[in-house]
Amino acid sequence: NAGVTQTPKFQVLKTGQSMTLQCAQDMNHNSMYWYRQDPGMGLRLIYYSASEGTTDKGEVPNGYNVSRLNKREFSLRLESAAPSQTSVYFCASSPGRDRGSELFFGSGTQLSVL
Amino acid sequence: LAKTTQPISMDSYEGQEVNITCSHNNIATNDYITWYQQFPSQGPRFIIQGYKTKVTNEVASLFIPADRKSSTLSLPRVSLSDTAVYYCLVGDMSGQNFVFGPGTRLSVLP
Repeated sequence: NAGVTQTPKFQVLKTGQSMTLQCAQDMNHNSMYWYRQDPGMGLRLIYYSASEGTTDKGEVPNGYNVSRLNKREFSLRLESAAPSQTSVYFCASSPGRDRGSELFFGSGTQLSVL
Repeated sequence: LAKTTQPISMDSYEGQEVNITCSHNNIATNDYITWYQQFPSQGPRFIIQGYKTKVTNEVASLFIPADRKSSTLSLPRVSLSDTAVYYCLVGDMSGQNFVFGPGTRLSVLP
């Protein structure tokens, strides 16, 4: 049982390049999330998807887009990367409903934008 | 969104009990209190959750007073491997309104 799988683990981009971070969960969870974590800080919510077919903005959505491709997969896209988007990105999922606050996190993607 | 305040860092020694207190003065009626643990280069891991009084599992205990304006995570007999950042969050069961603060960096010394 892999849990939450994120790819890639590391990525270096040049300013203005685009890329998509992939996330998949095999726990049949309803809700999925994308967070970013900057050094010495807590996690900040970028976007979330309460259920398949829905997405909503979190605390810091600017510069990002998401797609809930199906129940398993939730991708995060940077259309034109900026140095301010250098961060560690975490995908998470949760069962939703009465266990919605129990988040399961992936191992993260370390992104550097030069 | 309910905001939490917790110490930035704490030190302890192996074998001691560690108590980390979190303040959440504006907690809402529907909010639960949830604690996560994060090791370096890993995503956070769910530890424990509660609404009121006391909750205990195989990892920790969570004490919540009647007014629910604070809570205390208790880690019994810590080991070096408990060195991590601990986050206190309050939010409803949807998980969609969680706000992760900087957490408490616990260092367990030999």
